[in-house]
Formats: sequence, C-alpha cells, structure tokens
Amino acid sequence: NAGVTQTPKFQVLKTGQSMTLQCAQDMNHEYMSWYRQDPGMGLRLIHYSVGAGITDQGEVPNGYNVSRSTTEDFPLRLLSAAPSQTSVYFCASRATGESYEQYFGPGTRLTVT
Amino acid sequence: RKEVEQDPGPFNVPEGATVAFNCTYSNSASQSFFWYRQDCRKEPKLLMSVYSSGNEDGRFTAQLNRASQYISLLIRDSKLSDSATYLCVVNIIVRSGGSNYKLTFGKGTLLTVNP
Repeated sequence: NAGVTQTPKFQVLKTGQSMTLQCAQDMNHEYMSWYRQDPGMGLRLIHYSVGAGITDQGEVPNGYNVSRSTTEDFPLRLLSAAPSQTSVYFCASRATGESYEQYFGPGTRLTVT
Repeated sequence: RKEVEQDPGPFNVPEGATVAFNCTYSNSASQSFFWYRQDCRKEPKLLMSVYSSGNEDGRFTAQLNRASQYISLLIRDSKLSDSATYLCVVNIIVRSGGSNYKLTFGKGTLLTVNP
C-alpha cells in the first residue's frame, strides 16, 4: 500500500493564482481531511469528508474548496491564493470509528508571494 | 479555553532521562485520545492510543484522567531518537447518531534529547 499520497511536495504561487493540491489514499478509508500547519498554531482542520459525495467545513475553511467524488481522492482547491495561505498542508485519512489511527500524507509546502 | 492544551516546551533533556508531557482538553464529550509524534519537516504519526486504565508500550506510558480531563505521556530512559514534537490529540463527536468524529490536535511539545 502507498498509504496517503500528496502532490506536489512544494509549490510557489503568486497572489491571486489558483491551484489544486492532490490527495489520494489506497486504504479504502471513508474519512479524509485536510489540515494546515503553521508555526505556533499547530494543526488546524480545513475541510473533511466522511465519504464520497459528503464534505464539511473544519476550523479554517475560508479560501478553500474540496470535493469527494471517489473514496480514494480528496483534492483541495485554493481559489485565489493569498500570502496568509503560506503553510504546510497535510492530507489525512482513517477508517470510520472513534479509535482508528489517522494516517497523514507527507505534506505540501506552499508559499504564496 | 482552548480545546486541547499542552505544555508549551521546549524540553531539553539528557539521554537516559525521564520526561513527562501533560495535556488538558476542554470538551467532556471527548471520546478517544492519542499521542502522535512528528519529526522535523515530516508528517505526524501515531505513537500510541490512550486508554482509561492507562497503557504502556515499552518505554512509553500514557495515562488518562477523565474526571480532570487530563492526559499524560511519560518517556523513560530517553534516547536521541526520541527527539521530536509530541502532539496530544482528542477525538470528539461532531454529529450525534453517526460516525462523525473530529480529531483536535494540541500545538505540540518539542523534545530534544541531548547526548
């Protein structure tokens, strides 16, 4: 199993550009989520999905869109990049149920200039 | 009050030392609890789950006090390879009647073990 994969690993955007961060998992997990991690702020939940066709907002959803058309894929779209979105983005997945381990992708380091 | 609060750290300890991390959570409906480890510039990975009766995995001991809403992690005989950030994680139900849970992460405590 590849686990959770994310592309790209690094990205530099100019303010106002849009892009999609890709995330895929091959563990047949229903639950997938996106976090951003900033120094001193910890991991903050952007959006999450409990299954194909179902998405919901997390703690910091503004400026981001998600969709979940398949169990495997959960892309994160930045609509109009801003310097405040400079961060490390982690995608994660887990089986449904309260005790299951959450697996993270390797992260995407995004810089918006 | 923040949902999950941890010791701010950083902790610098010599090899062989015992170090303890503390964490408190604010939501009494929290269902399950974990410690994750994050190495520098890497993704977080599960270190261990935390059970009500307390649990041990080698040099690591985790404890939970639901009445005080407090979680702890003890590392004995620290190794250089234990150097990392330790994240306290709490799982709460966000919608009743379903399997809709949300993991909330503390900001993490940086541990450096020195030779």
